[in-house]
Amino acid sequence: KQEVTQIPAALSVPEGENLVLNCSFTDSAIYNLQWFRQDPGKGLTSLLLIQSSQREQTSGRLNASLDKSSGRSTLYIAASQPGDSATYLCAVMDSSYKLIFGSGTRLLVRP
Amino acid sequence: DVKVTQSSRYLVKRTGEKVFLECVQDMDHENMFWYRQDPGLGLRLIYFSYDVKMKEKGDIPEGYSVSREKKERFSLILESASTNQTSMYLCASSFRARTGARKQFFGPGTRLTVL
Repeated sequence: KQEVTQIPAALSVPEGENLVLNCSFTDSAIYNLQWFRQDPGKGLTSLLLIQSSQREQTSGRLNASLDKSSGRSTLYIAASQPGDSATYLCAVMDSSYKLIFGSGTRLLVRP
Repeated sequence: DVKVTQSSRYLVKRTGEKVFLECVQDMDHENMFWYRQDPGLGLRLIYFSYDVKMKEKGDIPEGYSVSREKKERFSLILESASTNQTSMYLCASSFRARTGARKQFFGPGTRLTVL
């Protein structure tokens, strides 16, 4: 059964710092991996989707990488800002086209 | 922009009531999903639908049913609400792409409290 783990569970950094969020999954048979952002009490906003054949995707200050063979993905946030404070979730799409989510990393960027 | 809307942001119901949660998407997506999100448990799939009148059980379907009479609308039904169904409910939709892209777009969520 696919399991997705995110480390750390919480992270607090000063504004301007570059940071890396980690996601690991147990079964490499995935169709894609998606990173989401969730603000308190709100729904999920899709940030980046990496197809299983791809190694990375970039959007603005965000860069996500995927190493399917080792079951790992990282989300890199450059020059963090207080507005980046949120919970970041990663999810993999398994062989039955379902999304399996990690528990998230709560990020606080201090001004 | 894709828009997924949910009928209520907050809902308070009593144990034993029948509860309807509605979700509507405006992008002609074939797939629609219902998740619940609980602290420490993350998001878990309740039901999904890949076409009108079609439905598939997710990981935690017990105590729930769904209805998809129109492509744009997917309803989650709690036949007899219980306190352990207090949760945040999230709806999502996506295309049924062949390439596996299938990016899911989420609604704002409904926070349901069952007293």
